[in-house]
Amino acid sequence: GAGVSQSPSNKVTEKGKDVELRCDPISGHTALYWYRQSLGQGLEFLIYFQGNSAPDKSGLPSDRFSAERTGGSVSTLTIQRTQQEDSAVYLCASSLQQGRGMGGELFFGEGSRLTVL
Amino acid sequence: DQQVKQNSPSLSVQEGRISILNCDYTNSMFDYFLWYKKYPAEGPTFLISISSIKDKNEDGRFTVFLNKSAKHLSLHIVPSQPGDSAVYFCAARQAPVEWETTSGTYKYIFGTGTRLKVLA
Repeated sequence: GAGVSQSPSNKVTEKGKDVELRCDPISGHTALYWYRQSLGQGLEFLIYFQGNSAPDKSGLPSDRFSAERTGGSVSTLTIQRTQQEDSAVYLCASSLQQGRGMGGELFFGEGSRLTVL
Repeated sequence: DQQVKQNSPSLSVQEGRISILNCDYTNSMFDYFLWYKKYPAEGPTFLISISSIKDKNEDGRFTVFLNKSAKHLSLHIVPSQPGDSAVYFCAARQAPVEWETTSGTYKYIFGTGTRLKVLA
């Protein structure tokens, strides 16, 4: 497809289970971002990838959260031992390579809504 | 510590009038600013952007103004249409420090959003 694709669009899980969220960025976009939007809140930065490497993991809320990107394309966000406070919409965005003087806008997917019971 | 703030959670405007959405920021190192629009159950969509070296950028009905001395950004929509009703987020890009340019993070920091309602 032409846009950023995320799956699943909706996920309901029980507390303590692990979940995986997938992001397929726009072809040719080397930068990939994960954000989280909790109910009534703004977009919270989680992690940024340039290619396969993640120079900044500072936004990950806890060590239960991890993310990887392979082949410079698809990324997976994994949440282990989910808690109710993890319930949110997880948004993925991609852009052309970021750089000074290059103001690449982010293109967002439709998000994965996670509900932890 | 919220580096990008949208102090108005909501705004109502009559169709045909001007909508003005405001955003304040604290970090003078931001180099690029953007506005996004978000409908329910959809991801944010890019509207308009401005470099920190400019003070105005216009695209059709949308104009973004940047006042660096006041660390203030605004989005003007003229004329407002009912289809403009959505949540609007401002965002600012934080570039890495000079020595990190080959591998640093270009982080986009978002405000909490303003819900615009355009009344027919």
